[in-house]
Amino acid sequence: DADVTQTPRNRITKTGKRIMLECSQTKGHDRMYWYRQDPGLGLRLIYYSFDVKDINKGEISDGYSVSRQAQAKFSLSLESAIPNQTALYFCATSLSGVQETQYFGPGTRLLVL
Amino acid sequence: GQNIDQPTEMTATEGAIVQINCTYQTSGFNGLFWYQQHAGEAPTFLSYNVLDGLEEKGRFSSFLSRSKGYSYLLLKELQMKDSASYLCAVRDTTDSWGKLQFGAGTQVVVTP
Repeated sequence: DADVTQTPRNRITKTGKRIMLECSQTKGHDRMYWYRQDPGLGLRLIYYSFDVKDINKGEISDGYSVSRQAQAKFSLSLESAIPNQTALYFCATSLSGVQETQYFGPGTRLLVL
Repeated sequence: GQNIDQPTEMTATEGAIVQINCTYQTSGFNGLFWYQQHAGEAPTFLSYNVLDGLEEKGRFSSFLSRSKGYSYLLLKELQMKDSASYLCAVRDTTDSWGKLQFGAGTQVVVTP
């Protein structure tokens, strides 16, 4: 079984709709992250959370919100989707410490029409 | 990331060696990661360097020079399955917590 899972894997929605992307992990990691990936731009950080009571904005948080429901669950919401939010979204986890390698979920491909 | 540069694409023949360079600029360096990403899939961790020198893991090696802001990933005995994008990521502690800054990735195409 995958250590980091994301649902849904693919989603098509219309402009103005609210959608939620979910991430779960069984790695026992305390830190979780949401990134988006666009062609030619690399991975960009949307939000991150160091524990259940800690939520922080990343470099491109406008138009997004998150919820850390439990140590193992971190969801990303688009309150009112717009076409330029069409992208590949990845959740990642890490264990706080010296190296803190981030491990990524399989991704959610989102298309906003 | 705007402070991380790596070539967009490289092509090599099966069985050959390819070296992917990555240069970076940061005032708060605390480690460099290489990830492999097949099209449409998740990035997977390959290597980590925090001190100068070479780290070897089977067919893959990664080198770091902190004074030059430079790293490379060396892929030996290339196989068709090595065709993927390779992402260089730098841990930047400028904002204190050490976020990862990712390069745009280098697409490696392995030909028969």
